[in-house]
Parts: sequence; C-alpha cells; structure tokens
Amino acid sequence: DTEVTQTPKHLVMGMTNKKSLKCEQHMGHRAMYWYKQKAKKPPELMFVYSYEKLSINESVPSRFSPECPNSSLLNLHLHALQPEDSALYLCASSQSAGTVSGNTIYFGEGSWLTVV
Amino acid sequence: GQQLNQSPQSMFIQEGEDVSMNCTSSSIFNTWLWYKQDPGEGPVLLIALYKAGELTSNGRLTAQFGITRKDSFLNISASIPSDVGIYFCAGQPPPSGTASKLTFGTGTRLQVTL
Repeated sequence: DTEVTQTPKHLVMGMTNKKSLKCEQHMGHRAMYWYKQKAKKPPELMFVYSYEKLSINESVPSRFSPECPNSSLLNLHLHALQPEDSALYLCASSQSAGTVSGNTIYFGEGSWLTVV
Repeated sequence: GQQLNQSPQSMFIQEGEDVSMNCTSSSIFNTWLWYKQDPGEGPVLLIALYKAGELTSNGRLTAQFGITRKDSFLNISASIPSDVGIYFCAGQPPPSGTASKLTFGTGTRLQVTL
C-alpha cells in the first residue's frame, strides 16, 4: 500500500485566516515532504523532514510553518497568506530523505488552496 | 530551482499510437522516477529506475535509465484515451549523507484523440 493521505482536498481562506493542511502516511517512511505546484508547472520543493526533523527549508516565507508531530504525520500551518500563494500543495513521503540509493517518493492527492 | 530538460513539451496523438518522451540533465542521477499527473490530482508514480542501463516495464509503459546516468526515456505503447495527462520525469542525485532534493522535468502534456 503506497498511500499518502492529505486533508482537506480544497481550502479557501482569507488573508487574515489561520488554517492547516494535514498529511498522513502509514508506510513506515521516515522522510516527508511539502511541495507547492502552480498550474502547468512541476512541483517545487518547500520542506523536507527526515526522522521528524526539518532537513531542508527552501527559503519558504515564514507565513508557511511546517510541523511533524510524529513519523506518520506532517502538517503545514498557514497564516497571513497572499493571493499568490494559491496553488496545489502536495505532501509526499519516502523511505529515507535521499541518503541512500533507491529512494522512491510517493505523493498524496494534494490540497487545493485558494487565498482570497 | 533546477529543472530537467524534458521533451516534447506537449503531444497530440491518435489512439493506438506509440508515444516517446525523454529527460536530459547536465548532472548525474542515481534514481530516475516517472510520474503521471491528472488534472487536480497529485503525481502518481509510474516507474522507478535505480541503475544505469536499467530497462523497466509497467504494462504498456517502458522506461530506461540512460547509461550515462544523465538521461531517461519513457515509452507508452498503443495509447488509449486515459493516457491523457501530464508526465513528469524526476531525478535524484547520488546520496551525500544529507537529505537530497528531487529535480523535476518541465513535464510533457499528452493528449490522445480518438
């Protein structure tokens, strides 16, 4: 079973709201990721968690705040977003964070975020 | 960030035709992954390649890891309407002891006509 589950599927929020995106995997993977994807573009890496610790932050604005409560869960807290932050947010997981060969990354279905 | 050169950018083909797309890079990769993404959905893994020269099939799909480790291709045989979507290649660099990043191709948009 290679399933990464994301909620909610769709989210509309105002620029002053605080909301969260959630991601869960039960494959025993020790690396989890957040990607942002704009229409007709490839996914862009935002954050990498390895063994529940933040390994990579791709210079993401602080209005995006990731959290990894345990090895199965990954959250993305959103606050004071801008309309240009509207995009598909993808969670992904893999056995490791690329520190060994043969690392395969599996994506969730994504959360569509619209900032109004 | 860095992107892989993926071609063609888009294709219009007729049902039953074979399709070929490829990705090239200036740096070597240890892993090549091919994904398909339908509108409004996340990328779905089609094929994973871990070794230079490796040729792997998944039903009507066949992908190869280039011998130079800088390229990969994906073939789809006898295309059907549900093959419509965007296909992304992605490469992962050799392990370096720290978390590494997956580099994505720019995508190939496939449209199949009856």
